[in-house]
Amino acid sequence: DIQMTQSPSSLAASVGDRVTITCRASQSISRYLIWYQQKPGKAPKLLIYGASSLESGVPSRFSGSGSGTDFTLTINNLQPEDFATYYCQQTYSTLMFTFGQGTKVEI
Amino acid sequence: EVRLLESGGGLVQPGGSLRLSCAASGLTFGSYDMTWVRQAPGRGLEWVSGISGSGDNTKYADSVKGRFTISRDNSRNTLFLQMNSLRLEDTAVYFCAKAAGDHWGQGTLVSVSS
Repeated sequence: DIQMTQSPSSLAASVGDRVTITCRASQSISRYLIWYQQKPGKAPKLLIYGASSLESGVPSRFSGSGSGTDFTLTINNLQPEDFATYYCQQTYSTLMFTFGQGTKVEI
Repeated sequence: EVRLLESGGGLVQPGGSLRLSCAASGLTFGSYDMTWVRQAPGRGLEWVSGISGSGDNTKYADSVKGRFTISRDNSRNTLFLQMNSLRLEDTAVYFCAKAAGDHWGQGTLVSVSS
């Protein structure tokens, strides 16, 4: 099974900051990676698919990069509504889409 | 508009069973692979199970293999998760989602407690 390791598990940031979250796969997953944002009590929201493609309606301050085993989610000019928990998920294994542990972005 | 609506959660004793349903609308349901994902209180997301659009292929996390069964009825646009031999650690909000990740239900709470 493919394991996904996210870092850091949490980080403190301020409005206007640039934030970077990393995700590492235990084996190559090409670009089969999704990034989600989740707020308390809500379902996850898709931000990035295919490692770097921005989902429709998602602000352009969110961006993703990487391929193979190492991936990055970057949030530029952090906004108050961006304080949330972020997850990566691999979609390389057929129907077995494991998640990273999550990164909580807080003030 | 795509909508996914879970139901069937509740309180159950250890060793008991529950069947979750996820009613889909606004999409050609049988064209899409679907998944169940859970989130224990205060914890991260855990992929539980996935099923192909036709229902012919299914996968399970090791933590639920042999106890949970995923299925679907494409004529009724409904996804199911049969959960048997429930354990305390199965307590979580259970979400159904399109495998592509672009549409999720609101979740249903399963509480396993004596």
